[in-house]
Amino acid sequence: TQLLEQSPQFLSIQEGENLTVYCNSSSVFSSLQWYRQEPGEGPVLLVTVVTGGEVKKLKRLTFQFGDARKDSSLHITAAQPGDTGLYLCAGISSNTGKLIFGQGTTLQVKP
Amino acid sequence: NAGVTQTPKFQVLKTGQSMTLQCAQDMNHEYMSWYRQDPGMGLRLIHYSVGAGITDQGEVPNGYNVSRSTTEDFPLRLLSAAPSQTSVYFCASRKGTRGGEKLFFGSGTQLSVL
Repeated sequence: TQLLEQSPQFLSIQEGENLTVYCNSSSVFSSLQWYRQEPGEGPVLLVTVVTGGEVKKLKRLTFQFGDARKDSSLHITAAQPGDTGLYLCAGISSNTGKLIFGQGTTLQVKP
Repeated sequence: NAGVTQTPKFQVLKTGQSMTLQCAQDMNHEYMSWYRQDPGMGLRLIHYSVGAGITDQGEVPNGYNVSRSTTEDFPLRLLSAAPSQTSVYFCASRKGTRGGEKLFFGSGTQLSVL
């Protein structure tokens, strides 16, 4: 069974701090997605990374796909309370083509 | 655009009861799927469909049934509810059947089985 391990599971920080969330696996993924989910709502896609070493930026969010396409990271600069939510990574298995989700990272940004 | 619509938003069942969670999308998407979300477990795929009349099992299909008679609708049936099925259920769709495309999620159904 392919697994995507996210760390940390919970993160509580003050407004203005920087943070990084990690998504790791021993398996190779053909692409990797990051979603954000707010309470009472479904996940919403933030970004898809496809190429090993790829870096994508979305305002204060920076996403990176590992060179070997086994891991990814999400870095948030100067976090704001509006960044609060559950962040999920999801990888497309190179073997099966199926989408596999990580357990999620719950982020709380305090004003 | 409505996107993906799920009903009901909340549901409480007694053990052994059956019910159907409704899901409809208005984006003419080929692919539709059902996930359950449990604390610390992420999203796990229950069943999916790549088109009308075609369904397949996901990672955790036991106790659930699906059908896809139209492109728009993909209901999830709980045949005999069990406390282990207490969870938040999400329906999701995407335009094509390739895994890397954007998934659109509904707002979820919170189900409690007593």
